[in-house]
Amino acid sequence: QSALTQPASVSGSPGQSITISCTGTSSDVGSYNLVSWYQQHPGKAPKLMIYEVSKRPSGVSNRFSGSKSGNTASLTISGLQAEDEADYYCCSYAGSSPFVFGTGTKVTVL
Amino acid sequence: QITLKESGPTLVKPTQTLTLTCTFSGFSLSTSGVGVGWIRQPPGKALEWLALIYWDDDKRYSPSLKSRLTITKDTSKNQVVLTMTNMDPVDTATYYCARSMTTLDAFDIWGQGTMVTVSS
Repeated sequence: QSALTQPASVSGSPGQSITISCTGTSSDVGSYNLVSWYQQHPGKAPKLMIYEVSKRPSGVSNRFSGSKSGNTASLTISGLQAEDEADYYCCSYAGSSPFVFGTGTKVTVL
Repeated sequence: QITLKESGPTLVKPTQTLTLTCTFSGFSLSTSGVGVGWIRQPPGKALEWLALIYWDDDKRYSPSLKSRLTITKDTSKNQVVLTMTNMDPVDTATYYCARSMTTLDAFDIWGQGTMVTVSS
């Protein structure tokens, strides 16, 4: 069970859209529509932003959206804002050992 | 309001056993579909899932750490306990507990985390 692969960093200007990829295998991302995304500000606990690939929990801005194609899931942040600057982690259900996290992506708002 | 809070030692010596307790409120671990998991994060590094226990006492472990981990629950006390044996300096991390629901297959509510340092 290896960590899912994410780009180390992604940046964008305020108002722009950015996309973070999350690549797994046919044993995790590719087999289940159970990818979740977490936002983590420095020194804080992670916060659930997306679950089941594209669903948003109550209270999460609709600027955050998720999708999946094959073994790769993606998180898109539209209308980028300064408060979106944080680390983002994907996570996939993986069967009998149910969870595997991604390597994490630092989002910088220029 | 749903809350979770981790507690345990901040410093352990190499080879010792770490015992962490997650005390939660606002939900019950006897409710169908509910689980509580442990996730850790070494300083400056990524999240790593460790273990999960479900309402029906089903227990799941990270394959790479399975031999060192034990997760248990005390439903009457609203607590989940994680023990990790043979601690090593590489186990230095912030340890989080979080609620999971089978309807989400995600961790929707997290504790604040507790930092554990392994050093002699």
